[in-house]
Amino acid sequence: DARVTQTPRHKVTEMGQEVTMRCQPILGHNTVFWYRQTMMQGLELLAYFRNRAPLDDSGMPKDRFSAEMPDATLATLKIQPSEPRDSAVYFCASGWGLADYEQYFGPGTRLTVT
Amino acid sequence: GNSVTQMEGPVTLSEEAFLTINCTYTATGYPSLFWYVQYPGEGLQLLLKATKADDKGSNKGFEATYRKETTSFHLEKGSVQVSDSAVYFCALSDRWGGGGSNYKLTFGKGTLLTVNP
Repeated sequence: DARVTQTPRHKVTEMGQEVTMRCQPILGHNTVFWYRQTMMQGLELLAYFRNRAPLDDSGMPKDRFSAEMPDATLATLKIQPSEPRDSAVYFCASGWGLADYEQYFGPGTRLTVT
Repeated sequence: GNSVTQMEGPVTLSEEAFLTINCTYTATGYPSLFWYVQYPGEGLQLLLKATKADDKGSNKGFEATYRKETTSFHLEKGSVQVSDSAVYFCALSDRWGGGGSNYKLTFGKGTLLTVNP
């Protein structure tokens, strides 16, 4: 049963610290999405990659967030420096080819910034 | 821009009751429509989909019909179980970036369903 994996599942950190979240998409999927979920805003798309190249990161605060795909099996989302307002659940999802509208979500990373 | 509006929760039902969660959408193109489900502590899972008008998506006893004339995609289940307790998200997917094969999902706010024994 192929699944998207995310690490860590939970992260508590202090304001100003760097946070790195990792995602392993389903093998064979070539599209990766990063979302942020909060009670107030719901699900927001932060970044969108196809074949490891960023297609859209307009939803991401550029001054502190960065997203990369060092290789086809790893996507990273980094926050530096972190702020309390970044506290949320961050989801990675993957899809493939022309059907990347059908997305498979990982379990999420719950981030708390104090 | 695209948007999805779904009924606010929470919805509380007794086991074996009939479920309807309303969803309407606004889109400029011809979107595909989805229902995702999120169980406590987990990521979203695709529950069902419909890619064109009048299509009916169905899975695990849930179903929804793509109604272009009313821009709706209401989720229904005839007899809910305690295990159906979760948050349900309606979503649409539409092309962006001037065509091609790039899609983005737009989600509703989610509806919390609690089913009591």
